Amino acid sequence: TQLLEQSPQFLSIQEGENLTVYCNSSSVFSSLQWYRQEPGEGPVLLVTVVTGGEVKKLKRLTFQFGDARKDSSLHITAAQPGDTGLYLCAGANRGSTLGRLYFGRGTQLTVWP
Amino acid sequence: NAGVTQTPKFRVLKTGQSMTLLCAQDMNHEYMYWYRQDPGMGLRLIHYSVGEGTTAKGEVPDGYNVSRLKKQNFLLGLESAAPSQTSVYFCASRELPGLAGGPVPYNEQFFGPGTRLTVL
Repeated sequence: TQLLEQSPQFLSIQEGENLTVYCNSSSVFSSLQWYRQEPGEGPVLLVTVVTGGEVKKLKRLTFQFGDARKDSSLHITAAQPGDTGLYLCAGANRGSTLGRLYFGRGTQLTVWP
Repeated sequence: NAGVTQTPKFRVLKTGQSMTLLCAQDMNHEYMYWYRQDPGMGLRLIHYSVGEGTTAKGEVPDGYNVSRLKKQNFLLGLESAAPSQTSVYFCASRELPGLAGGPVPYNEQFFGPGTRLTVL
């Protein structure tokens, strides 16, 4: 069972365009994280959102946690080739003391110069 | 501070062979995890450990065994490799919330660089 559904699965855009990636679930999560993974490397944490409705910005990246804490979005403004990578969302359940994360299948982003 | 390291980086096995993947972390983390990543499938949890001497099954544990004899090491074993185990394997570790003298990012996991395994 895939708890987190990410869309789109693939995204190919030109440098300078804006884009949004979505992460949706029917489950409520106590926190949600976004990771970025580059070829040949492990995922690296970008941000953690904890509060429903929370918005966090990381330079040109804006992350939002849904009010009901079931979904999240990642918006990139003026994408650059350096943004190319696999973006993964991961949710943690309230009360889990095991630190287990449930990962979405990822969005492969390619930004062309 | 090397973070999380994995050995080997690449390996090719024949069906039925066995091998052990080693994960080491130097951050004194309590929790460690083994994932596999397949195209279009995201990261799936194989086994995890909440401390030295403890292990537990994750989402896809069949065909794998693990051991955590030392806090800094987490080993993943394949006793009889099958082509379905061809994948990229990632190890991750995590600190306990509230330790290390201050707020800890909620459930942040630190990943190793991965091991690419092919079973022929």
